[in-house]
Amino acid sequence: DSGVTQTPKHLITATGQRVTLRCSPRSGDLSVYWYQQSLDQGLQFLIQYYNGEERAKGNILERFSAQQFPDLHSELNLSSLELGDSALYFCASSVALGYEQYFGPGTRLTVT
Amino acid sequence: AQSVTQLGSHVSVSEGALVLLRCNYSSSVPPYLFWYVQYPNQGLQLLLKYTSAATLVKGINGFEAEFKKSETSFHLTKPSAHMSDAAEYFCAVRSNRDDKIIFGKGTRLHILP
Repeated sequence: DSGVTQTPKHLITATGQRVTLRCSPRSGDLSVYWYQQSLDQGLQFLIQYYNGEERAKGNILERFSAQQFPDLHSELNLSSLELGDSALYFCASSVALGYEQYFGPGTRLTVT
Repeated sequence: AQSVTQLGSHVSVSEGALVLLRCNYSSSVPPYLFWYVQYPNQGLQLLLKYTSAATLVKGINGFEAEFKKSETSFHLTKPSAHMSDAAEYFCAVRSNRDDKIIFGKGTRLHILP
């Protein structure tokens, strides 16, 4: 158990819908990261936060947004969902930027 | 910009044989390097990290990695493979521009009985 929690574990939704994925970092960690993992694209970095501030973006679509709240939990919002958004979404946390990351168990999103 | 290249998307070894997973990095400054493992249906788990101290780094589950600056390599090894080592392994480097962790494409390790 890494100490990072993600909810929900599984999510099945239809195209065009919007979903919110939630992440609670390890106690004491200030940085949160989001990744998307699929069979064809592999592990893709989406976005990272430090203490509530966005610090770097990766291959995150405009339909996707995220934020880190004052209590340090983070949410990833995915809207206008397409079939190709079906993937595993991981959250990770670290004590600060650039340090080893601890990954949550992931949310498996299926868009039908 | 920092990057890592993992040689071989799939590697097969026999149970009890040496495991060698290759990773080469690109970095203009002394790098921070990591190896992660991902078991089926789980998140990534840190195996070990190099942060410019000892060049031979020991990790969990009997794995170790050696930092070789002259070869820009950080290969992962384990003397004797177990069936439970079957997983995907990711090499990663810290970007000194924005402190992102940049992951390689991963190597899937298969253990043959």
